Amino acid sequence: DTAVSQTPKYLVTQMGNDKSIKCEQNLGHDTMYWYKQDSKKFLKIMFSYNNKELIINETVPNRFSPKSPDKAHLNLHINSLELGDSAVYFCASSLGNSNQPQHFGDGTRLSIL
Amino acid sequence: GENVEQHPSTLSVQEGDSAVIKCTYSDSASNYFPWYKQELGKRPQLIIDIRSNVGEKKDQRIAVTLNKTAKHFSLHITETQPEDSAVYFCAASIAGGTSYGKLTFGQGTILTVHP
Repeated sequence: DTAVSQTPKYLVTQMGNDKSIKCEQNLGHDTMYWYKQDSKKFLKIMFSYNNKELIINETVPNRFSPKSPDKAHLNLHINSLELGDSAVYFCASSLGNSNQPQHFGDGTRLSIL
Repeated sequence: GENVEQHPSTLSVQEGDSAVIKCTYSDSASNYFPWYKQELGKRPQLIIDIRSNVGEKKDQRIAVTLNKTAKHFSLHITETQPEDSAVYFCAASIAGGTSYGKLTFGQGTILTVHP
């Protein structure tokens, strides 16, 4: 009964490949987020969706494309993976975007060979 | 945009001592300040949060204080225990508007509590 679940937990792949990470929440939230945590543990927002609509799009290469089929799911597709994409990617969700607590998934550790 | 600075980057205390982590923010419109604890290999977990209409909030051994004038907020952990060892992150966000509750995180503090 994990509240925010991400798959896969680990992803090891070669440079140039395309990969996807999936996220689902069962909290009834309407806002979902993708964060990137680099090797120095710095957490930075990438995207946010509210009711399937993109509302935050930080300065992220357009190789990264989020998709929200419904408000309980937010997936992240990455094209032409580069070494610098190696990081832990966290999905999170909240109820609305007006300063409600954000709940994080367990993360996906992406390693590019 | 918002910038959040967090200090210290590492903090080592003896079990039973208090620990204080401080953050400053740049955007005076920020009005929500959560703190997250992240254990090694785990997800960030919300431990306490404060909104700008409150100056202090307590939850058992954890307290957060907010000084809006100086634009800084602090996390206080009393009677520390080894299981408090983790990375702690502060964050700030602005409700609504074009920021849509976007969280800007500090750089993190590695807290080590020695038995």
